[in-house]
Amino acid sequence: DAKTTQPPSMDCAEGRAANLPCNHSTISGNEYVYWYRQIHSQGPQYIIHGLKNNETNEMASLIITEDRKSSTLILPHATLRDTAVYYCIVRVGGGNQGGKLIFGQGTELSVKP
Amino acid sequence: GAVVSQHPSRVICKSGTSVKIECRSLDFQATTMFWYRQFPKQSLMLMATSNEGSKATYEQGVEKDKFLINHASLTLSTLTVTSAHPEDSSFYICSAPNTRNEQFFGPGTRLTVL
Repeated sequence: DAKTTQPPSMDCAEGRAANLPCNHSTISGNEYVYWYRQIHSQGPQYIIHGLKNNETNEMASLIITEDRKSSTLILPHATLRDTAVYYCIVRVGGGNQGGKLIFGQGTELSVKP
Repeated sequence: GAVVSQHPSRVICKSGTSVKIECRSLDFQATTMFWYRQFPKQSLMLMATSNEGSKATYEQGVEKDKFLINHASLTLSTLTVTSAHPEDSSFYICSAPNTRNEQFFGPGTRLTVL
């Protein structure tokens, strides 16, 4: 699976949009981009995933560049509860049961009042 | 979203004893589940892939005889840490994917070996 690069930490003001970048320049055509977050001492929480089109759900938006070498996770109105470590992961999708996820170091997002 | 549970959430044991951790997918079936370990201030490290009805697949460097995995049904995988030692103290997390390629994680089990 392709590797990802994320900034180790970011700050965001409460109520503002949080834009978390991820570089995955070696992504293959059949690899999806997944985002998870982990609040301290909890299991990771699925946020969103996509292949090449931009995606939006109730939690966030995922913007993938046309060449698919990078993506941005957008939390439109960050709250204090969004403070967490955010992981960008690329892996081959496909099949009904998916494949293993390899976690990098992620971005520690701190939302400040 | 789908729910994955783990039991126990926290366990303290003496060195040399074995500890079993359960991972259940509550509202979906999973032929595959994954086990991770996380040390303080570090990322999750994949330990093994649990396969229903067959042997688990272990990542490089993970001792299969120390971390026994059993996936006896489509909703249950167990991880047994055998002859636990203080260096095995960690946060153990399982995950299971649903049919839409969304992988759901359990809340984790905090193991402390005295």
